[in-house]
Amino acid sequence: KNEVEQSPQNLTAQEGEFITINCSYSVGISALHWLQQHPGGGIVSLFMLSSGKKKHGRLIATINIQEKHSSLHITASHPRDSAVYICAVSPPGGYQKVTFGTGTKLQVIP
Amino acid sequence: DTEVTQTPKHLVMGMTNKKSLKCEQHMGHRAMYWYKQKAKKPPELMFVYSYEKLSINESVPSRFSPECPNSSLLNLHLHALQPEDSALYLCASSPPGGAADTQYFGPGTRLTVL
Repeated sequence: KNEVEQSPQNLTAQEGEFITINCSYSVGISALHWLQQHPGGGIVSLFMLSSGKKKHGRLIATINIQEKHSSLHITASHPRDSAVYICAVSPPGGYQKVTFGTGTKLQVIP
Repeated sequence: DTEVTQTPKHLVMGMTNKKSLKCEQHMGHRAMYWYKQKAKKPPELMFVYSYEKLSINESVPSRFSPECPNSSLLNLHLHALQPEDSALYLCASSPPGGAADTQYFGPGTRLTVL
């Protein structure tokens, strides 16, 4: 079974700061997902990566398959970015059984 | 339509009640999922339906009964639940084909069992 670890567990930042959240996993994957969950529940899929780098607005996600590591960066952070960010991985073949990390709780202070 | 909807948003039920959670998507997705999420924990997979057939059951107690009446609709029937079943229940769907497809999540139903 894949072990997915995220760091840090909690992160407080000032508005405007550059933020990095890290994710490491233990065995090969077919894809890695970054998810965002606001208080109250709903989960939004931010990125799905199998290689390289993706950018959407102020969010950038990178993955290094050889090192089994991914990072999520938020540029010019804003209080509305406050949420829990979850890394999840899909195994080769069994793509329906996603393994989730424990999440990083981000608070951006004005 | 690019969203997954879930009803109700909140549900309070007694241990002897029977209730159902509903999930709907109109994106043509052919895989649908139920997850259970306890506070400050990641979601735990419960069931997966693929092309309206149950493909994964993660040893979920029989007091939870899933149903997929058609490709757009997924239900979770609840009966004789325990207080420890109180949690956020999330539905998700993903497109057909591909080795790893983005799962689109609904907003969840927050269930409280008294």
